[in-house]
Amino acid sequence: DVKVTQSSRYLVKRTGEKVFLECVQDMDHENMFWYRQDPGLGLRLIYFSYDVKMKEKGDIPEGYSVSREKKERFSLILESASTNQTSMYLCASSSPAVDTQYFGPGTRLTVL
Amino acid sequence: RKEVEQDPGPFNVPEGATVAFNCTYSNSASQSFFWYRQDCRKEPKLLMSVYSSGNEDGRFTAQLNRASQYISLLIRDSKLSDSATYLCAVNMRGYSSASKIIFGSGTRLSIRP
Repeated sequence: DVKVTQSSRYLVKRTGEKVFLECVQDMDHENMFWYRQDPGLGLRLIYFSYDVKMKEKGDIPEGYSVSREKKERFSLILESASTNQTSMYLCASSSPAVDTQYFGPGTRLTVL
Repeated sequence: RKEVEQDPGPFNVPEGATVAFNCTYSNSASQSFFWYRQDCRKEPKLLMSVYSSGNEDGRFTAQLNRASQYISLLIRDSKLSDSATYLCAVNMRGYSSASKIIFGSGTRLSIRP
């Protein structure tokens, strides 16, 4: 069974803290994605990675960076968390041959 | 113009009704199209892929209209358990030519007894 896991379901951080969100998939997928989901705005792509150490900006990369050192793991980094980064963060993976995305359960991040 | 647009709803229909959603996309080069279902406080899950010839899965029918650049989802004989948010998704090529998936903002469906 396909599995994407995220390091935390809920996270509370303070403004200015560095935040790491981790995502691991066990399907040997080349592509991995980070989205944020906000009411009325849907899923917005932050960054994606199509291979180890390869990444590309999505629609809203400002304030975020990513790291993909191993194929199964894709990390999202908030260098200095701000209150407007309070959101639900969803990780997904896919095979480039199929494009179907499999999502993790999400991390609800609150920045105080 | 947004890359992928959906009517946000909410759609509130009685059990047994037929309901249809549309989703428009801006990139004519898109090749893959999907409908996802998202339950409250859960992650999106694939409902069905959308093929050029249209496809059906039980009470669900998906269609693609390339000329007008939209995809549609039809739900027949709706059940209470169909209540959810339905997201359309379309692939687009990034600068690296890798495929990225862009989602619509979702259409909320509520089925009433």
